[in-house]
This record gives sequence, C-alpha cells and structure tokens, in this order.
Amino acid sequence: DIVMTQTPLSLSVTPGQPASISCKSSQNLLYSDGKTYLYWFLQKPGQSPQLLIYETSSRFSGVPDRFSGSGSGTDFTLKISRVEPDDVGVYYCMQGIYVPPSFGGGTKVEIK
Amino acid sequence: EVQLVESGGGLVQPGGSLRLSCAASGFTFSGYWMHWVRQVPGQGLVWVSRISTDGSSTNYADSVKGRFTISRDNAKKTFYLQMNSLRADDTAVYYCGSLYFGWGHGTLVTVSS
Repeated sequence: DIVMTQTPLSLSVTPGQPASISCKSSQNLLYSDGKTYLYWFLQKPGQSPQLLIYETSSRFSGVPDRFSGSGSGTDFTLKISRVEPDDVGVYYCMQGIYVPPSFGGGTKVEIK
Repeated sequence: EVQLVESGGGLVQPGGSLRLSCAASGFTFSGYWMHWVRQVPGQGLVWVSRISTDGSSTNYADSVKGRFTISRDNAKKTFYLQMNSLRADDTAVYYCGSLYFGWGHGTLVTVSS
C-alpha cells in the first residue's frame, strides 16, 4: 500500500504569515494520462473534510487563491500565502491513483 | 451547489448490518467515481471503498473486504454502503464523497452490545 507522509504534524502560524505543508508519497503519483492524482482536504474543527486542491494544483470552486498546491512525482506541497484565523484545522493529503487510496496522517494548523 | 447527504447510521450490535446511503446533487453524479471514507473521532481519515461511474468496478479496504458492499443508482443520484458482520472497530463517522467535490456531513456508526 502507498504511504503518504505529511510534515509537520502541527503548525502554529501568526495571522498574515505564510504556511507550508509537505506531503510525500511512497510511490510516484503520476498516471499514464499525464495527471498526478494528489488531493488536499481541510477539516475544520467540528466539520467534515472539505476539498481544497485536486490533481496536485487545481483549486476547488470557492477556495481562496491564498491556497496553492504544487509538486510532482512523490513530493507535494500545500502553501497558504497569508494565513487567516478561518484556516485552522487539520489538513490531509490523499493519493487517488493506487488502490487502496490513502490519506496522510494530517497536519494540524493553529493560529498564534 | 454540491450536496452530499449521508443517512442510515446508528447503533448496531456486533455481527449486525447497516446500509448507508449517500444522496448527491449539484454535479453530474454519473460522471464520477464515488467513495466512502471513515474517521474514528479524534483520529485521521481512512479510505473504505469506491465505485466506478457505472458501478462495474469496486474496490475495498482490506479491513472491510468481504463484509461491505458498495453500489450506486445513477438514476437516483445515490450510492450505498451495505455493511454486514459489523465489528466494534467499524465504529466511526462515515463520510461519502468524491475526490472532486469533497465529503458529506457524515453519519455515525456505532457497533456495540
């Protein structure tokens, strides 16, 4: 099974400052169709997970442009250019190319 | 607006069965693979099962293989998770969704005597 490793486990950020979360896959997530099936979700406190980024770098509808996804192969990054208080929660990466699909362990983002 | 609404959770005894439903709206349901994931409160997300656009292909986590069955009805824009031989470690919040639209609000399944 594919292992998704997220770092750091937690992050405390001052509002207005940037934040970055790393996600590493144990295998290459590039598919033969040229797409890389890596997704990012945010689970705010007390809520269900919401989609932020699909296929590595495409923002889901309504997601602010301060969120960006990048990476290729086995190394991926979610960046928040200017953290806002509403961004608190646990961020998960997920690979959707291999069976079983698998999530990273999560990165908890808090506001200083 | 995309909506994914789960139903069917509840309390069941070990060895019992439940059928979860997920009603979808706001997108072309028949065009997407659909998934179930679960989460023990306070823990991370765990993938459970997925089904192809036409229902011809399904996959399961090893932990539920042989006990859970996923299905879909594209005419009703609904998909399902039939859960049999439930065990205490199946206790979790179950979310339905798509990798392209996110997840529903979740339904709690508690397996306990």
